[in-house]
Order: sequence, then structure tokens, then C-alpha cells
Amino acid sequence: QSVLTQPPSVSGAPGQRVTISCTGSSSNIGAGYDVHWYQQLPGTAPKLLIYGNSNRPSGVPDRFSGSKSGTSASLAITGLQAEDEADYYCQSYDSSLSGSGYVFGTGTKVTVL
Amino acid sequence: QITLKESGPTLVKPTQTLTLTCTFSGFSLSTSGVGVGWIRQPPGKALEWLALIYWDDDKRYSPSLKSRLTITKDTSKNQVVLTMTNMDPVDTATYYCAHRRDPGGRFDPWGQGTLVTVSS
Repeated sequence: QSVLTQPPSVSGAPGQRVTISCTGSSSNIGAGYDVHWYQQLPGTAPKLLIYGNSNRPSGVPDRFSGSKSGTSASLAITGLQAEDEADYYCQSYDSSLSGSGYVFGTGTKVTVL
Repeated sequence: QITLKESGPTLVKPTQTLTLTCTFSGFSLSTSGVGVGWIRQPPGKALEWLALIYWDDDKRYSPSLKSRLTITKDTSKNQVVLTMTNMDPVDTATYYCAHRRDPGGRFDPWGQGTLVTVSS
């Protein structure tokens, strides 16, 4: 039921740059709601990675960056490291005729080759 | 430091009602702008937001599950309770509670999660 679409998987060699897209619509990202990103390492709870489209919480390396444009958002990881292998989810808010509430993306698995 | 922990049954039978408790520390649910939400994740699948309760007792539910969910809070005990009726095997998932903060309505941090299996 996810209304935010992400690629199922992306991969890259150590040191490379990868990007993950999060495509929404006019009722969520396009309506101006903030986009947040979470990292979920295997067997653990999600952890906030980027908030408010492009802000990093304290302790998150600056090789993680976020952006938003129109009805989409992106997460970029530069200088990919083995420890970045995880699932990544975007999150926003959706308000439509059928109701409103928080929404998550379909999730993207990042593999470090 | 904010922490949250989920508790409840690990196994429920189909048609039964699930009751989960989120016990938290490090913040007060009577502070303006604060909320606690529930999110679930079926094995190998994506996250799905379920419900959220705000400091002023405003409650929001996933439109697709609204008829089955109830969220309440006990500010004195620092707890939030989620009930889900008419459980089905497709509701098998890890259920997380998380602290919601502004601006933007992000969830940070999350509890460790509790796996609930629905099976007869």
C-alpha cells in the first residue's frame, strides 16, 4: 500500500556514489510535506538518517545527503562503505480525499559490491 | 536520552484482538508537539504506518486500517497502547513504536520492535 515508490535495489563498489529515489505525488511530497530517510541495518530497528528533506541528525556522516524537488526526493551516499549495506526508506505525509497520514516508501536495499 | 520499548504477545490467534504497549522514557507526552506512533513491518517487507497519538490526545489512523485500530495514552505511566482487532495471518509483522518530533513529523528514535505472529 506504499504511496512512495523507491527502486528495490541499488549497488555500488566501495568509494562510489549511489542515489536512491523516492517518487510521490501531489498529495504528499508535491504538496510540500517534508521527506525523511531511515536506514535499517539487518535485524535492527530503523534509524533516522535525514530529516526535513536535507538535514542530518547529529552523528550521521556527511557522506549521506538528501534533496527534494517537485514530487520526488533523493538520498545520495558518497564514498560508499561496507557498513552502508542496509535497507533505506523514505517517509512523508499524505493528505488526500481517501484520508491522511504518514507514509513510507517501498524500501531500497543497498548492496556494497 | 529518549528510549521506547514495545511489549505484548508474540503469538495471537486469527480473529483475536492484539494489544501492544509502548513504554517510553526521556520525554513527556504532555509536551506540545510530541507524539508517539506505531509502525509495522511484515517479514521481508516494507514499513507501514499504523497510528499516532499527539500530546493533546489527537489521534490519527492509517485510512486502510482505521476500523481495526485504537490508540490511547497514559501520560502518568509514560505508556501508549495500540489495539488491533480481528487479527489475520497477514498481520504477522514486527511492530515498532517511535517518538514523533517536529518539524516535519519524523520518527526518532524507534523502539527495538516486537514480532507478532498470527497463527492458529
